[in-house]
Amino acid sequence: AQTVTQSQPEMSVQEAETVTLSCTYDTSESDYYLFWYKQPPSRQMILVIRQEAYKQQNATENRFSVNFQKAAKSFSLKISDSQLGDAAMYFCAYRIFQGAQKLVFGQGTRLTINP
Amino acid sequence: NAGVMQNPRHLVRRRGQEARLRCSPMKGHSHVYWYRQLPEEGLKFMVYLQKENIIDESGMPKERFSAEFPKEGPSILRIQQVVRGDSAAYFCASSPASGIYNEQFFGPGTRLTVL
Repeated sequence: AQTVTQSQPEMSVQEAETVTLSCTYDTSESDYYLFWYKQPPSRQMILVIRQEAYKQQNATENRFSVNFQKAAKSFSLKISDSQLGDAAMYFCAYRIFQGAQKLVFGQGTRLTINP
Repeated sequence: NAGVMQNPRHLVRRRGQEARLRCSPMKGHSHVYWYRQLPEEGLKFMVYLQKENIIDESGMPKERFSAEFPKEGPSILRIQQVVRGDSAAYFCASSPASGIYNEQFFGPGTRLTVL
């Protein structure tokens, strides 16, 4: 069974600094997707960034980028120039490429931004 | 284009009562997923439905829980004889179709409190 592990229950960063959130996963599949979701206090799940496992290039979305290490099964999220609005729970998630569509989530990392 | 709608947003039930949670997918989406989030945890997959069919219910508790997605109307997650351990946030997500890639769009969630 696929599992996703986020080993940092909480992280904090100074506003305008850079922070990296860690995620590892376990799967026997070769093709899959990886995601980072943000959950602010409103509890709405917001997709931040996704990565296709067959792509070697790391995904980037504005201030958000990932470091995808397929062999190590590692998928970290880097947030540059942190803003107060980035404060939220961040969840790493996995989904196989085809077939069952369910997302497998990690336990989450609570990110605090210090002004 | 309205997003995924869930109602009610908050639901309070006493032990032994029934809870009915509704999810209206985005327009054009025929696939619905239900996830449960216990306090301070990540989301856990419960069930994946297409119109009139349950595709994957591997995360659904065997007793008291059921889900449907009729040809007309919203998807319903039904919990019979609720217990305190059912208190959680229940999220619905929808996607346009299975295939190479399709993003799951999340609703705002229903927070169920069992007294």
